[in-house]
Amino acid sequence: GENVEQHPSTLSVQEGDSAVIKCTYSDSASNYFPWYKQELGKRPQLIIDIRSNVGEKKDQRIAVTLNKTAKHFSLHITETQPEDSAVYFCAASDTDKLIFGTGTRLQVFP
Amino acid sequence: GAVVSQHPSWVICKSGTSVKIECRSLDFQATTMFWYRQFPKQSLMLMATSNEGSKATYEQGVEKDKFLINHASLTLSTLTVTSAHPEDSSFYICSATTAGTAIGPQHFGDGTRLSIL
Repeated sequence: GENVEQHPSTLSVQEGDSAVIKCTYSDSASNYFPWYKQELGKRPQLIIDIRSNVGEKKDQRIAVTLNKTAKHFSLHITETQPEDSAVYFCAASDTDKLIFGTGTRLQVFP
Repeated sequence: GAVVSQHPSWVICKSGTSVKIECRSLDFQATTMFWYRQFPKQSLMLMATSNEGSKATYEQGVEKDKFLINHASLTLSTLTVTSAHPEDSSFYICSATTAGTAIGPQHFGDGTRLSIL
């Protein structure tokens, strides 16, 4: 089955800097890769997703890149703000279910 | 759109009690819903896939007789934790997809924090 690894586990940046979170997956058949943001005690919220027929997708300050050959995808947040502080999870779709990465705790310091 | 409602948000009960958690898709029909468990500072672990009108598909290591799932309608799935014990204490969260499969955005409920004394 699918296995998703996520790095780093924690990330601290200064407000205004960029943050990058990386994930690798094992199943080459996976074709859907969402990113979720989860604040403490709250539901995960979808922030961006990408499908395997696309190499990059951007939505304002957030972008995701996908390298199918290397089986890795990354989340890029530019001009970080304190409200970006949360836990971010990547996931890969293994045909009929999502497999989540272990999460990255992002802290943005003002 | 794509709102998922989950109830209750908090449950505290004695060991041996059975607890039912409801997951509803409010503005769309969900033929497939997913149930996850999340321990503190850990990732979301898929417990089972709930299919409307059929039996749930459980992940390896999840006891189907302990975690009963019913998906009787296109907008409601329930998870019953039977004879709960302290080790069942966790954050349980459901999700639903409009796509009918996992290959599409999943929308999560607010989760249920279960504490077994």
